[in-house]
Amino acid sequence: ETGVTQTPRHLVMGMTNKKSLKCEQHLGHNAMYWYKQSAKKPLELMFVYNFKEQTENNSVPSRFSPECPNSSHLFLHLHTLQPEDSALYLCASSQDSRKINEQFFGPGTRLTVL
Amino acid sequence: AQTVTQSQPEMSVQEAETVTLSCTYDTSESDYYLFWYKQPPSRQMILVIRQEAYKQQNATENRFSVNFQKAAKSFSLKISDSQLGDAAMYFCAYRINNAGGTSYGKLTFGQGTILTVHP
Repeated sequence: ETGVTQTPRHLVMGMTNKKSLKCEQHLGHNAMYWYKQSAKKPLELMFVYNFKEQTENNSVPSRFSPECPNSSHLFLHLHTLQPEDSALYLCASSQDSRKINEQFFGPGTRLTVL
Repeated sequence: AQTVTQSQPEMSVQEAETVTLSCTYDTSESDYYLFWYKQPPSRQMILVIRQEAYKQQNATENRFSVNFQKAAKSFSLKISDSQLGDAAMYFCAYRINNAGGTSYGKLTFGQGTILTVHP
């Protein structure tokens, strides 16, 4: 374990459902990230939070809504997703997103949208 | 925009032998970092090695080393004495060094190379 946990590990949802992904880091970091990993595509950065403030939204559709209540927790709220949103969603953390610190990744949530 | 390209979707190697994974990137910046990440079948991605662009010396971490060719924008990973535990997907990644600026930790990844290690 790298100190970054994600729940659930697997999620199947319909297009009209609302669900949330959770990420928690136990490393004392101040930056947290959401990435999307689709088959045969590069890992895509979605959102960055640094000291609880969102600092990057990589043109992500509004059906994905992040929330960072504190530096240890990060959520991704999902609403009216599309089948093409099916992917592995990875959370990561680092000491400070403005610095070249190693990013530690969680195991991911495998999301399937029916 | 920066791009990272891994032209080898899959590679294989015999245990104890050496394999090289290739990566090229495109950037107009001169100060940046390059990384190799490993994602084993358990899916937890870990950092293998990193290279600072302004350092000419190639980075080395035990059996892992890189061949960094800045002019050619090439950053290959060499794995020596391959072990079964090296089997994973390997990602090359790039990040601009904008310390103190507004670079919010954006890593740009390649498509990945699946490495199989044969016993």
